[in-house]
Amino acid sequence: SQTIHQWPATLVQPVGSPLSLECTVEGTSNPNLYWYRQAAGRGLQLLFYSVGIGQISSEVPQNLSASRPQDRQFILSSKKLLLSDSGFYLCAWRYGAGDEQFFGPGTRLTVL
Amino acid sequence: EDQVTQSPEALRLQEGESSSLNCSYTVSGLRGLFWYRQDPGKGPEFLFTLYSAGEEKEKERLKATLTKKESFLHITAPKPEDSATYLCAVQARWDNYGQNFVFGPGTRLSVLP
Repeated sequence: SQTIHQWPATLVQPVGSPLSLECTVEGTSNPNLYWYRQAAGRGLQLLFYSVGIGQISSEVPQNLSASRPQDRQFILSSKKLLLSDSGFYLCAWRYGAGDEQFFGPGTRLTVL
Repeated sequence: EDQVTQSPEALRLQEGESSSLNCSYTVSGLRGLFWYRQDPGKGPEFLFTLYSAGEEKEKERLKATLTKKESFLHITAPKPEDSATYLCAVQARWDNYGQNFVFGPGTRLSVLP
């Protein structure tokens, strides 16, 4: 069966500090991968998606970036965090030919 | 622009009191409609995919239905463990890579014992 991991689970960072969130998927190969941000009381917002190693598409301009160094690894980064980057970050995957997306446990980021 | 609204925003039920959650959508050709359950502080858990009007899916006390403009999530004889936020999302027909999942804000369900 497939499993998706995210770490860390929670993170508190000062404004201006760097960020690295990691997501890995087990039990499948060549998945499509997604980074979402969920703000309180609002729907999930897609930040980045990837259909393969090194292939990243950005949906929302911001100070975040994403990378996919391995088939089942997806990383969300920032060089300098802003207060507005606080939120709940979710990684998701899907089969290349499927439609449903399956979510990880999430990372709660607080920028102070 | 594709949009999803959900109602009510919050719903309180007594254990055993059946009800329905609504998801209304506008999309430029529906590829699929998805229901998820999300517990506080956790990632959404996939429940159902519906593809065409008239389709129904069931899982334990939950049944999802679809029309051309909306979907309902019916909860029969709910239990306290059904308490969660229920999210609805739609995907347009042209969206081949899943880059355009449009999520609603969710319905927060509380089932009291």
